[in-house]
Amino acid sequence: EAAVTQSPRNKVAVTGGKVTLSCNQTNNHNNMYWYRQDTGHGLRLIHYSYGAGSTEKGDIPDGYKASRPSQENFSLILELATPSQTSVYFCASGDPGASGNTLYFGEGSRLIVV
Amino acid sequence: GQQVQQSPASLVLQEGENAELQCNFSSTATQLQWFYQSPGGSLVSLLSNPSGTKHTGRLTSTTVTKERRSSLHISSSQTTDSGTYLCAIEYGSSGNKLIFGIGTLLSVKP
Repeated sequence: EAAVTQSPRNKVAVTGGKVTLSCNQTNNHNNMYWYRQDTGHGLRLIHYSYGAGSTEKGDIPDGYKASRPSQENFSLILELATPSQTSVYFCASGDPGASGNTLYFGEGSRLIVV
Repeated sequence: GQQVQQSPASLVLQEGENAELQCNFSSTATQLQWFYQSPGGSLVSLLSNPSGTKHTGRLTSTTVTKERRSSLHISSSQTTDSGTYLCAIEYGSSGNKLIFGIGTLLSVKP
């Protein structure tokens, strides 16, 4: 079973502060993704990566940076957190294959920016 | 942009009844997946079905690609099926990115 671990699971940050959400996967998947989930919007893609050293912008990248220093780790960075970034963030990993790009999700990180 | 519409928004069933969930999308999909999100928030992939019909356990998905729609049928619902069901689409030009619908909230009463 694919394992994706996120940290922290819960975070309260102050406006203007820096927040780093970390994600680790142990299944050697090439692709990793960061989504946020808000009521009424579903899951929206922020950044993704095809492998170590690569990051790509998703559909809502503004205000976020991403870092993929290794195959296993993918971080989401909020340099200057704002209240509008209060949300639940999900990391996922996956690999395209014969059965499609099945994603394996972490448990989510709940971020509140005050 | 690409759209994924799910219906109904919510559904309440008595245990043992069947559920039919719908997903409509705005362009040709190269991949379609159904996910389950538990009341606690965790997400798991249920099945992948870009075309045709697939079964797994009590779940049956039918995707009609040319009509840009997919359905998820849950037979003999159980209280543990309660949660949100999400449809996600990968488009050919999207580079292995999945676009999600908002989901259908299913509540199964004992």
